Amino acid sequence: EVQLVESGGGLVQPGGSLRLSCVASGFTFSDHYMDWVRQAPGKGLEWVGRSRNKANSYTTEYAASVKGRFTTSRDDSKNLLYLQMNSLKTEDTAVYYCARVRGSGYVLSFLDCWGQGTLVTVSS
Amino acid sequence: DIQLTQSPSFLSASVGDRVTVTCRAGQGISNSLAWYQQKPGKAPKLLIYTASTLQSGVPSRFSGSGSGTEFTLTISSLQPEDFATYYCQQHNAYPFTFGPGTKVDIK
Repeated sequence: EVQLVESGGGLVQPGGSLRLSCVASGFTFSDHYMDWVRQAPGKGLEWVGRSRNKANSYTTEYAASVKGRFTTSRDDSKNLLYLQMNSLKTEDTAVYYCARVRGSGYVLSFLDCWGQGTLVTVSS
Repeated sequence: DIQLTQSPSFLSASVGDRVTVTCRAGQGISNSLAWYQQKPGKAPKLLIYTASTLQSGVPSRFSGSGSGTEFTLTISSLQPEDFATYYCQQHNAYPFTFGPGTKVDIK
């Protein structure tokens, strides 16, 4: 069974940092691109960023709202995906989901499996 | 960025009703559109990808159509478990934007 489990959320002050983790199981993690998506309380979904696989040099993409502050990385040996979040703002408060990307290329760039999410609260 | 709009933003329907949700893209995205269902407190679930392909395990009462800038999600006969919020997402160009969502509620 494909499973994604996020952890690392919590309360952090504005300007602080937090690292989220997502552990994958039930599929060959190293083959897949992985995305981060967030959802502010009572709001819609916002795509945050992408981690490509080794075959695509582990390159990344980010939404403009987090670019320069957030960094996604991965450890294929441990089936782990990370989101390092720096210079956090109150507007970063959200549930953060990791999600598996079906395949490489735009046509297959949809998200076919999601974790349960982890809540990040940025507040003083 | 490619903007997505959804209509309606909210709809009230009864069990057995046929329901249609529309997603419009600010520019052409070919058929690179996915639909997700989200229930309160739960993660989104993939329903439809490449505009019209049903994800494995999703009931056949769900269908998708469209290409270019206009897309629809149809539920042929609404079931109690279908009351949820539905989001479209374009995967044609970064950033991969989502629509604002359509909440389907019980009449």
